[in-house]
Amino acid sequence: EVQLVQSEAEVKKPGESLKISCKGSGYSFASYWIAWVRQMPGKGLEWMGFIYPDHSNTKYSPSFQGQVTISADKSINTAYLQWSILKASDTAVYYCAIWDYDSNFDLLDYWGQGTLVTVSS
Amino acid sequence: QSALTQPASVSGSPGQSITISCTGTNSEYNLVSWYHQHPGKAPKLMIYEASKRPSGVSNRFSGSKSGNMASLTISGLQAEDEGDYYCCSYAGSNVYVFGTGTTVTVL
Repeated sequence: EVQLVQSEAEVKKPGESLKISCKGSGYSFASYWIAWVRQMPGKGLEWMGFIYPDHSNTKYSPSFQGQVTISADKSINTAYLQWSILKASDTAVYYCAIWDYDSNFDLLDYWGQGTLVTVSS
Repeated sequence: QSALTQPASVSGSPGQSITISCTGTNSEYNLVSWYHQHPGKAPKLMIYEASKRPSGVSNRFSGSKSGNMASLTISGLQAEDEGDYYCCSYAGSNVYVFGTGTTVTVL
């Protein structure tokens, strides 16, 4: 069974750093793009960027370029989203999702459970 | 990257059909998908490549695209169809963008 399990909720102060994770299982983790999606409180979905774990090729939405870093460690089937300096406006639920096709060229639909990040002084 | 434009809300009675529009998609590609999200839950894929339905998704859901506008139609509206719907389009240069979201209410 394909699963994406995300790290637990975090409460941080402005200016702090943070790295959240998304661990894949039940499939060849390194061979499928993993995307991160933000959902601010009461707002819509925003596509942040994605990574191909096998060679860590990464693409960012212009809106998030330079604001976050997406990385992956294929040896432990885990993707990451990190901030060096958190802001209150980073408060949101962050989802990871497989953003790729299967061998039949059908779009895959697997999502993590979401990680709530709260940034408050 | 500006979000794609969707109506804020659409409503219909049980059994009726409703259509949600999504304007601003990349006219060069049919890479538009639609997601359904219940509050506090992860999104669920309903349509991909503008009109393809994933295995397990009801055939009451259909999608289309013309130029830079995509549409999702829900036929035979049911209570379980309530929630938020988002379109998502390939914007080019390996970047994707979501729509503003539409709240569907079954009256």
